[in-house]
Amino acid sequence: EADIYQTPRYLVIGTGKKITLECSQTMGHDKMYWYQQDPGMELHLIHYSYGVNSTEKGDLSSESTVSRIRTEHFPLTLESARPSHTSQYLCASSESVVRGAETFGSGTRLTVV
Amino acid sequence: AQRVTQPEKLLSVFKGAPVELKCNYSYSGSPELFWYVQYSRQRLQLLLRHISRESIKGFTADLNKGETSFHLKKPFAQEEDSAMYYCALRPVNYGQNFVFGPGTRLSVLP
Repeated sequence: EADIYQTPRYLVIGTGKKITLECSQTMGHDKMYWYQQDPGMELHLIHYSYGVNSTEKGDLSSESTVSRIRTEHFPLTLESARPSHTSQYLCASSESVVRGAETFGSGTRLTVV
Repeated sequence: AQRVTQPEKLLSVFKGAPVELKCNYSYSGSPELFWYVQYSRQRLQLLLRHISRESIKGFTADLNKGETSFHLKKPFAQEEDSAMYYCALRPVNYGQNFVFGPGTRLSVLP
């Protein structure tokens, strides 16, 4: 089924650890996004990509990095997790670079202890 | 700069009452407007978009370019409508990103 998948759903990790949040979509969308959202709060764009080998920083400064080696895969990496990184991370993709809606994944709830 | 405002953080109505969630935007061109909904413990999902001019789950939204508004309405609220609602704007320029409003939590009381 065409969808966007995020793993893991929940992650509790110690300070200083390196983590990668996975995001894959099977819809053939070119544009992909990462948002940071505390529950019930605003969405903050932290990274986006127009396609393979394209990555851009979003409106909210983030210590995370992303890569886009394949169209369907857009992982987010934190080299050294800190408690301030505790949040929910949402991955999304859109039908085209110019128009259309975004489709969101289920999110990863990250807790850094 | 593009901006989306949702003046109410929380809106409470009784079941069967009409509901209107307000959304105003600032953008010089003709954007695409969307409403997204996030039910408890579920992913953010598209509710409706202005170009479709359709009714989803009894909700409608009309784009008013003069007032730069895209309010979401439903004549008779149901308890299952309780959720977070986000208004979003997509500029028409190539590569421009979505702009989301801060969200309104709708609580439908029995």
